[in-house]
Amino acid sequence: EVQLVESGGGLVQPGGSLRLSCAASGFTFSSYWMHWVRQAPGKGLVWVSRINTDGISTIYADSMKGRFTISRDNAKNTLYLQMNSLRAEDTAVYYCARDLRAARVFDFWGQGTLVIVSS
Amino acid sequence: DIQMTQSPSSLSASVGDRVTITCRASQSISSYLNWYQQKPGKAPELLIYASSTLQGGVPSRFGGSGSGTDFTLIISTLQPEDFATYYCQQSYTSPATFGQGTKLEIK
Repeated sequence: EVQLVESGGGLVQPGGSLRLSCAASGFTFSSYWMHWVRQAPGKGLVWVSRINTDGISTIYADSMKGRFTISRDNAKNTLYLQMNSLRAEDTAVYYCARDLRAARVFDFWGQGTLVIVSS
Repeated sequence: DIQMTQSPSSLSASVGDRVTITCRASQSISSYLNWYQQKPGKAPELLIYASSTLQGGVPSRFGGSGSGTDFTLIISTLQPEDFATYYCQQSYTSPATFGQGTKLEIK
C-alpha cells in the first residue's frame, strides 16, 4: 500500500525557517518524481515544487523560488522541503504527492502537515 | 501560467442526481486535464487523469471528457459519499495549476 506521511509542520515566526519531511513507503520511491502542494486555510490547491527521480532537477512556483528548497534522500525514502524567509501568506497545509509517470499528475497524496507563520 | 476556471463554484444536489462540473483553461491544454476529489480535513484524491481516464478504484459513475480548453466532470448518480469539493488541474505545462474548486453540497 502506498503511503506518504508528512511531518515537520508547526508554528514559526515571520522570517523563520522550517523543514518538512515526507516519508514514503509501499512503492519504489526512487522511481517517481515527487511534488509539494499547499492549501491555505479555506482556500484551493497551489503547486509548490517538483523534484525528479535522482534529485538533480527541481522546479518551483515563482512565489517560492529562492526561499524554498526541495530535496530527496532515496536511501531513506524521504522527500524534504526546506522553507526559509517564511511569510504569513505561506500559512497552509503542505502535502507531498507522488507523480504518475512524470506527468504532473498527482496520484497519491500524504495527509498533509500544517505550517502556521505568525508572530 | 495557465489559468483554470471551474463552474459552478458551488452546487447543491440530491442523492441520485446527475451532476456536471465544468473546467475551462486559459489556453489549449490538449487532454492534459485531471480531476481530484477532496473531503473536509482530508487530502485530495485523484479521480480522473488525461481528461477521461478513470484512476484505479474510482467508481464508474464518475466520468470526464473534453479537450483543448473545455472539460467536464460528470457524476452520473450521486451517492452520499460524493459530497465533497472537486478540483481540476492542468498537467500540460509547468507550473501545474488548479481550478478554484467546486463544492458539491447536499440539497
